[in-house]
Amino acid sequence: RKEVEQDPGPFNVPEGATVAFNCTYSNSASQSFFWYRQDCRKEPKLLMSVYSSGNEDGRFTAQLNRASQYISLLIRDSKLSDSATYLCVVMGQGGKLIFGQGTELSVKP
Amino acid sequence: EPEVTQTPSHQVTQMGQEVILRCVPISNHLYFYWYRQILGQKVEFLVSFYNNEISEKSEIFDDQFSVERPDGSNFTLKIRSTKLEDSAMYFCASRQATNEKLFFGSGTQLSVL
Repeated sequence: RKEVEQDPGPFNVPEGATVAFNCTYSNSASQSFFWYRQDCRKEPKLLMSVYSSGNEDGRFTAQLNRASQYISLLIRDSKLSDSATYLCVVMGQGGKLIFGQGTELSVKP
Repeated sequence: EPEVTQTPSHQVTQMGQEVILRCVPISNHLYFYWYRQILGQKVEFLVSFYNNEISEKSEIFDDQFSVERPDGSNFTLKIRSTKLEDSAMYFCASRQATNEKLFFGSGTQLSVL
């Protein structure tokens, strides 16, 4: 089983749509979880951390289900500028980040 | 916001040549990392460095790779004898503590011909 597994994508959605990304992780001892955004051939940028209680940042909502080892990201009212690859990331031992394959999102007018 | 700086942004080299990728982490950071991303693939951890020594390395980080922090500001990744499959984007990252945000540099695109 892959350490971090994401929906394969790509997701093509119209502006204003709601889109959800799913992710599972294999190490039940993992403690810290994140969503990163990566634009084409650029460095990953932290979008938000994911907490057990769930957390929201504007149009973005992240959820964590430890029992199922499942992480999600919901984007509401999607904008053209949300087009990017979304990376599910789990922190491993010593602070190293373990990245999922990424799910590409394309928001169309 | 403070930045991690990487140079060069692009490096082209011949197979078998040595390359050094350079990074200037954020000045008060203590933990340093190299990641790589082969085109179309996921971001992969290579190595972490703390207190002037490697704290962890991945299977990718074999004897052809080495890291150094020669002068307290630079953090370098050396590939001794490059192979075609070393072609990738290499990202340097740093953080102040393991529970703090990780800052990535903008990457060096390495092309091995």
